[in-house]
Amino acid sequence: DAGVTQSPTHLIKTRGQQVTLRCSPKSGHDTVSWYQQALGQGPQFIFQYYEEEERQRGNFPDRFSGHQFPNYSSELNVNALLLGDSALYLCASSPDRNNYGYTFGSGTRLTVV
Amino acid sequence: TQLLEQSPQFLSIQEGENLTVYCNSSSVFSSLQWYRQEPGEGPVLLVTVVTGGEVKKLKRLTFQFGDARKDSSLHITAAQPGDTGLYLCAGQSTNAGKSTFGDGTTLTVKP
Repeated sequence: DAGVTQSPTHLIKTRGQQVTLRCSPKSGHDTVSWYQQALGQGPQFIFQYYEEEERQRGNFPDRFSGHQFPNYSSELNVNALLLGDSALYLCASSPDRNNYGYTFGSGTRLTVV
Repeated sequence: TQLLEQSPQFLSIQEGENLTVYCNSSSVFSSLQWYRQEPGEGPVLLVTVVTGGEVKKLKRLTFQFGDARKDSSLHITAAQPGDTGLYLCAGQSTNAGKSTFGDGTTLTVKP
């Protein structure tokens, strides 16, 4: 049973560019959350998608946007990249109304130069 | 804003020693999770605690949720090099709500 799959694993972009990261949730999970993890810090919540809608959003600017597809997979888009956007981007899936934690993917390492 | 503070930030011990790491908050959580993360990987869920005062054991790891559901601890008995990693706690306030993470404790167990 495949867990959470993220692509690409690594990415290098230039300041001002745009990036799209992709996530396929674990089988049976319908809720997808995205987190940003800077070096030496814990994951910071970006937003959560359920039924193709953004259900909750963390303290991130509008440059960060997302989408969820009918098959529950999700994309994270970041526009006008800044050097400070360099981080590990983690996708986490869970069943809806879940209070028992997430299954995380291995992440996408984004480097902005 | 809910904050989770983890201590210590770094811990380096010899194989066979015991250790405890802590996760504290001023907020009440409906559930709290502990994860372990290795370099270049995503966090892996170890346990979820939901009841105040709850104690859960996972082999040599013992997890406790505070009575007021604001804090938690992780105790490892007879640590092994394979226990090396970043230990993260995360709290959820509502069902299906976001998880708020601490910054973690980096544990190194030397052979």
